[in-house]
Amino acid sequence: ELKVEQNPLFLSMQEGKNYTIYCNYSTTSDRLYWYRQDPGKSLESLFVLLSNGAVKQEGRLMASLDTKARLSTLHITAAVHDLSATYFCAVEETSGSRLTFGEGTQLTVNP
Amino acid sequence: GAGVSQSPSNKVTEKGKDVELRCDPISGHTALYWYRQSLGQGLEFLIYFQGNSAPDKSGLPSDRFSAERTGGSVSTLTIQRTQQEDSAVYLCASSLDRLNTEAFFGQGTRLTVV
Repeated sequence: ELKVEQNPLFLSMQEGKNYTIYCNYSTTSDRLYWYRQDPGKSLESLFVLLSNGAVKQEGRLMASLDTKARLSTLHITAAVHDLSATYFCAVEETSGSRLTFGEGTQLTVNP
Repeated sequence: GAGVSQSPSNKVTEKGKDVELRCDPISGHTALYWYRQSLGQGLEFLIYFQGNSAPDKSGLPSDRFSAERTGGSVSTLTIQRTQQEDSAVYLCASSLDRLNTEAFFGQGTRLTVV
């Protein structure tokens, strides 16, 4: 059974600082997704990573995928309050199979 | 439609009653998922439909839960004899096909069993 683990689960940081959220998964996969969820809202797709070494950037967020290490990272650069949300990674074990989500990382950016 | 649509957005029901939750996926999307999210928790997989393949029902928590997808489009999640522990937000998502698997989520149905 595919397991997806995120670290940390809770993150409080100051504006302007950098930090990285980690997503580890237990079986071979080359399809990984990052989502953002604001309180009381649904999930918004952030990044789609479909191959080893894939790197995607949007604003202050950058995601990468290392399929050999079974690891994805979501790096936050110079955090701002608007980035406060819960971030989920999700892994697709094989093509066309269901997505398995990590537990989520609750990020709070303090002014 | 423009996005995944779920109805109702909120549902309060009495313990023991049956409920039906509806999901309209994005037009043309062959894959459809149901997830459940309890307060402050992650996403619990329930069921996955992919085209005409047999659905992956491995996440359904009990035989009180069932789902169907008619005509490869609209899906209904049915919970029979609801219990208080069924209270959660039920999220539906769809993706284009087996190769384009980025999932787009609806706004969810908040179910409260009293």
